[in-house]
Amino acid sequence: GAVVSQHPSRVICKSGTSVKIECRSLDFQATTMFWYRQFPKQSLMLMATSNEGSKATYEQGVEKDKFLINHASLTLSTLTVTSAHPEDSSFYICSAGRREISETQYFGPGTRLLVL
Amino acid sequence: EDQVTQSPEALRLQEGESSSLNCSYTVSGLRGLFWYRQDPGKGPEFLFTLYSAGEEKEKERLKATLTKKESFLHITAPKPEDSATYLCAVQANDYKLSFGAGTTVTVRA
Repeated sequence: GAVVSQHPSRVICKSGTSVKIECRSLDFQATTMFWYRQFPKQSLMLMATSNEGSKATYEQGVEKDKFLINHASLTLSTLTVTSAHPEDSSFYICSAGRREISETQYFGPGTRLLVL
Repeated sequence: EDQVTQSPEALRLQEGESSSLNCSYTVSGLRGLFWYRQDPGKGPEFLFTLYSAGEEKEKERLKATLTKKESFLHITAPKPEDSATYLCAVQANDYKLSFGAGTTVTVRA
């Protein structure tokens, strides 16, 4: 299998607080992990790419100081939304890539963030 | 810049009514073309990877094909449980995925 988990699945927070989302590959070691954002009825937009032990690479227009990514091990990556605002409310999805299968990305179940 | 266009945007089918979804793409250095299924409020579920023109893959009622410019996802005799949004994505040499907007399929019993 290729199972990826995310925690929490849903979070509601007040404006100005920080929120951490965890992404874990449960049954394989991920070469690379990716973070996406999805707005209602829209497709996935890549935010950043992270490799274990190195700094994340952010897509154009994504604020690296606002969306902090840590990739501590081959099975765990975290996304911290700092000083969250209502416009950060969205569906955040991570994926983990398996290089032995041509870097096929397996996705987590997503985290619904609502900032009040 | 990589571009992925999916059509139609939405597809309503009667149970048993076969149809095809289209994914046209432009990419410099295609490593693979991926099809995913996404149910509402959930992450995408991997279906297929196609690597070269002429390749075909099947899984239950789904069959994916690839040419140099487009891919098709054929749904044969669909059931209501096949209702979902189907996403196409291309992977370039940097291993990143560029997604299309998706086709939302609704299968009525």
